[in-house]
Amino acid sequence: GENVEQHPSTLSVQEGDSAVIKCTYSDSASNYFPWYKQELGKRPQLIIDIRSNVGEKKDQRIAVTLNKTAKHFSLHITETQPEDSAVYFCAASNPMYSGGGADGLTFGKGTHLIIQP
Amino acid sequence: NAGVTQTPKFQVLKTGQSMTLQCAQDMNHEYMSWYRQDPGMGLRLIHYSVGAGITDQGEVPNGYNVSRSTTEDFPLRLLSAAPSQTSVYFCASRTLRNEKLFFGSGTQLSVL
Repeated sequence: GENVEQHPSTLSVQEGDSAVIKCTYSDSASNYFPWYKQELGKRPQLIIDIRSNVGEKKDQRIAVTLNKTAKHFSLHITETQPEDSAVYFCAASNPMYSGGGADGLTFGKGTHLIIQP
Repeated sequence: NAGVTQTPKFQVLKTGQSMTLQCAQDMNHEYMSWYRQDPGMGLRLIHYSVGAGITDQGEVPNGYNVSRSTTEDFPLRLLSAAPSQTSVYFCASRTLRNEKLFFGSGTQLSVL
């Protein structure tokens, strides 16, 4: 099955600086890569996603890049703000499984992003 | 739309007790699932369903039962709670055509 590795487990950056979180996946058939943000005590919420036919996607201060050859994808947050403090999860989905007979979404273990004032 | 609704928010059980965690969604999503979240372990899939009457096991199904009698509801049953089941439980749903998952607010369960 799919295996998703996420690094680092904790990331501390100064407010205004950029943050980068990296994930690798094992299944070359995976084609959907979402990122979820979970604030303390809250539910995970989708913040951005990318499909394998696209190399980069941006939404204001956040962007995701995908390298299919290397099987890794990254979340980039620029001009970090205090409200960016949260746990971020990456995930990978294999289309063979999603919706058909099995669940296709495998999550990384999460990155605790701390924004220092 | 209320989205995905979970009850209760908090629960304390004694070892051996049984209980049901409730999950309901009003978005007409075919797919529903249960995850548990433990520190440093991310989100791990317990059970999932792709429609009424259809359920299947995820990564960590032992000790849990599910049923899907309606599209809206997907309860998770702990038949004999164990301390290893102390965790935060999330229900999530989506359509079969779109991988975007919508999560409930979670249930914090402690088994003493």
